[in-house]
Amino acid sequence: EAQVTQNPRYLITVTGKKLTVTCSQNMNHEYMSWYRQDPGLGLRQIYYSMNVEVTDKGDVPEGYKVSRKEKRNFPLILESPSPNQTSLYFCASRSRGSYNSPLHFGNGTRLTVT
Amino acid sequence: AQSVTQLGSHVSVSEGALVLLRCNYSSSVPPYLFWYVQYPNQGLQLLLKYTTGATLVKGINGFEAEFKKSETSFHLTKPSAHMSDAAEYFCAVTEGGYQKVTFGTGTKLQVIP
Repeated sequence: EAQVTQNPRYLITVTGKKLTVTCSQNMNHEYMSWYRQDPGLGLRQIYYSMNVEVTDKGDVPEGYKVSRKEKRNFPLILESPSPNQTSLYFCASRSRGSYNSPLHFGNGTRLTVT
Repeated sequence: AQSVTQLGSHVSVSEGALVLLRCNYSSSVPPYLFWYVQYPNQGLQLLLKYTTGATLVKGINGFEAEFKKSETSFHLTKPSAHMSDAAEYFCAVTEGGYQKVTFGTGTKLQVIP
């Protein structure tokens, strides 16, 4: 089954404790992206990657890191989480074949930073 | 720079009534437009996408959207709301030649029995 898999689904951590949210897709998509969803703000892009070893900042990259060493994986790293990073995070992927190819989303990771 | 505006963060309709969710875009080049739906505790899934040259686009679950270039709009409609349509709906745009996808702030649809 074609899917984007994120782990974990729920995560509670404390300020400053490094964490990684994993994302993997099995559709051989070139493009992958991370979003955070906050009430009233919709989805805001954190980072995206056009292909292996190619990443770029989205609208809200501060406090986040990403890497794309393999085509299927695109982990999101929070080196020193802060409470304002409490949010719902989504990973998504799409084919680069056409500009109207849709995004495929994971089921989300709800992060709470205390 | 592209942007998307969704009017109304919450919309309530009676079951069986017309659903109209508004989306206006701002793009300097012809846009690629999408509507996504998010059910509780799930990720977003594609509802429909704009196809170049079309004015009316049909999607899943009886939804459709009308593209009006003169009004820079891509409103989502469904003739008769069903309880299962209760969800949050997002309009999104990608500019041709630019891979970034920009989302609107979302509209939560409530369907009243």
